[in-house]
Amino acid sequence: EAGVTQSPTHLIKTRGQQATLRCSPISGHTSVYWYQQALGLGLQFLLWYDEGEERNRGNFPPRFSGRQFPNYSSELNVNALELEDSALYLCASSLWGFNTEAFFGQGTRLTVV
Amino acid sequence: SQQGEEDPQALSIQEGENATMNCSYKTSINNLQWYRQNSGRGLVHLILIRSNEREKHSGRLRVTLDTSKKSSSLLITASRAADTASYFCATAVYGNNRLAFGKGNQVVVIP
Repeated sequence: EAGVTQSPTHLIKTRGQQATLRCSPISGHTSVYWYQQALGLGLQFLLWYDEGEERNRGNFPPRFSGRQFPNYSSELNVNALELEDSALYLCASSLWGFNTEAFFGQGTRLTVV
Repeated sequence: SQQGEEDPQALSIQEGENATMNCSYKTSINNLQWYRQNSGRGLVHLILIRSNEREKHSGRLRVTLDTSKKSSSLLITASRAADTASYFCATAVYGNNRLAFGKGNQVVVIP
């Protein structure tokens, strides 16, 4: 069974540009989460999608947004990129919310120059 | 926001020894999950323990949960060089709608 897949693996953008990150959950999982792991800051919760709806978002500005598609895959968009957005972005999926195990993908390394 | 906090932050042990990490949290939880991360890559799920459980095992891993002390421990027995990684605990709090992660615990196993 395929795990959570994320693309691209690496992404280099210029300050002010937009970045789009993609995530495919494990088959049968309806919940998708996004986390940011910046150097020295640990994993910060970004967004939670379930059944196509945004269920919760972390303490991030509105330029961080996303969506979940009917096939439960998800997209994270970061607008007006800033240097401090450079981080590893991790996507996870679970069967049903946070009551079940969350499985993570390998992440997208975003570098803003 | 409520977060797990691992203790100690860094641990260096010889291959074959046991490694123990602790995690404390502040409010009531639904469950607590432990993860491993190798060299800044994705997180690997190790164990989920629910608030009504006290101990769980998976291979060489043993997790305990003490809700009265709001703490959990992860024990890796007979460690191997491949166990070298960062270990995170994450808590799911009722109504919080997120998994809150601790800062991670770096474990180095020396062959």
